[in-house]
Amino acid sequence: AQSVTQLDSQVPVFEEAPVELRCNYSSSVSVYLFWYVQYPNQGLQLLLKYLSGSTLVESINGFEAEFNKSQTSFHLRKPSVHISDTAEYFCAVTPIGKAGANNLFFGTGTRLTVIP
Amino acid sequence: KAGVTQTPRYLIKTRGQQVTLSCSPISGHRSVSWYQQTPGQGLQFLFEYFSETQRNKGNFPGRFSGRQFSNSRSEMNVSTLELGDSALYLCASSLGEDYNEQFFGPGTRLTVL
Repeated sequence: AQSVTQLDSQVPVFEEAPVELRCNYSSSVSVYLFWYVQYPNQGLQLLLKYLSGSTLVESINGFEAEFNKSQTSFHLRKPSVHISDTAEYFCAVTPIGKAGANNLFFGTGTRLTVIP
Repeated sequence: KAGVTQTPRYLIKTRGQQVTLSCSPISGHRSVSWYQQTPGQGLQFLFEYFSETQRNKGNFPGRFSGRQFSNSRSEMNVSTLELGDSALYLCASSLGEDYNEQFFGPGTRLTVL
């Protein structure tokens, strides 16, 4: 079974300040890891993913996340946030293997609020 | 390429009624997954259909069911609605055979009165 823990339900941060959104997971099998973002009244958009290879993955809008297998973590970071980053962020995992390919297990989400 | 579309976008029903939600995946995608999003329980996986067959199922009662048609469009049905079924229902499509990125639709907001 898989579970995802996002330790912070809300994170307020001033514009241009750095931010870290924490994510830990538990799984009896190997997993792929994801961060999704949800803007108000919209569906989910994939922000970045870790499938294999380099443990540091980056998105096109300046976010990055690092997979740490020993700590079972996949924290999301951005060195300087913008107002437009205000949204809800979800960490998710899916078990590797055909049978569970499209079954995402989500954390409870972190609401990031960027303060001008 | 058109994205994932869900209809209707908003729905109001009363307890005891049933409801059918529709999801049209991205052209060429064969897998459709459904998720329920509520403030209390967060995002929970309902089920996944691939090539008209249910491949995975989450931990929901039998009142929640779904199906997929030959053109990959999917419907989910909830019978005997309860107040707790009020939620945003999201569907996601992907190519499907193994892991491929899931693309989410905008969701259907169901309110049960």
